[in-house]
Amino acid sequence: SQELEQSPQSLIVQEGKNLTINCTSSKTLYGLYWYKQKYGEGLIFLMMLQKGGEEKSHEKITAKLDEKKQQSSLHITASQPSHAGIYLCGADMRVYNNDMRFGAGTRLTVKP
Amino acid sequence: DAGITQSPRYKITETGRQVTLMCHQTWSHSYMFWYRQDLGHGLRLIYYSAAADITDKGEVPDGYVVSRSKTENFPLTLESATRSQTSVYFCASGLARADTQYFGPGTRLTVL
Repeated sequence: SQELEQSPQSLIVQEGKNLTINCTSSKTLYGLYWYKQKYGEGLIFLMMLQKGGEEKSHEKITAKLDEKKQQSSLHITASQPSHAGIYLCGADMRVYNNDMRFGAGTRLTVKP
Repeated sequence: DAGITQSPRYKITETGRQVTLMCHQTWSHSYMFWYRQDLGHGLRLIYYSAAADITDKGEVPDGYVVSRSKTENFPLTLESATRSQTSVYFCASGLARADTQYFGPGTRLTVL
């Protein structure tokens, strides 16, 4: 089982559509990180959230951390083929010897 | 200014053989990490290092050995490879244990 649950596991959207990916934990998230992985490549850091209610945006991607710090969402507005890839959330939950834990990832396909 | 590199990118080996995966970073980050990525499990931490000559186990350390004689290098050795170690291995570096991590491109290892 995953300490961080991501949903959906995969997502296919038409170019131009909005989409949301969720990352949920039963434990408090002291640092929540979003990464993007292109097929066959390494992970690229997108954003980091720490405070309850925090929201950050970069270009057409917005990430939020809820007030309880147990759920984060990643929202993409007007999706483009360049947004395709696997999105992973990672978190410091102040357990597991302070190691980061990662979700299983959400595979996003954007159809032109 | 390559950042973080891994070699080889692809490796096929046989059960029982010793294999070493290399990781090199140019940022002088204190922390370095080795993860494996498997379908259904996401990223799991194998070993990490807080500094030269300081290493510690992660979530799935069995069957692996690491060393860190220099800050910039963090090799991962499979002393006697098994089929269950077929995976994609990612090296990462960062300034702290639970903080933004910067990932290498990965090594795809197949154990026959």
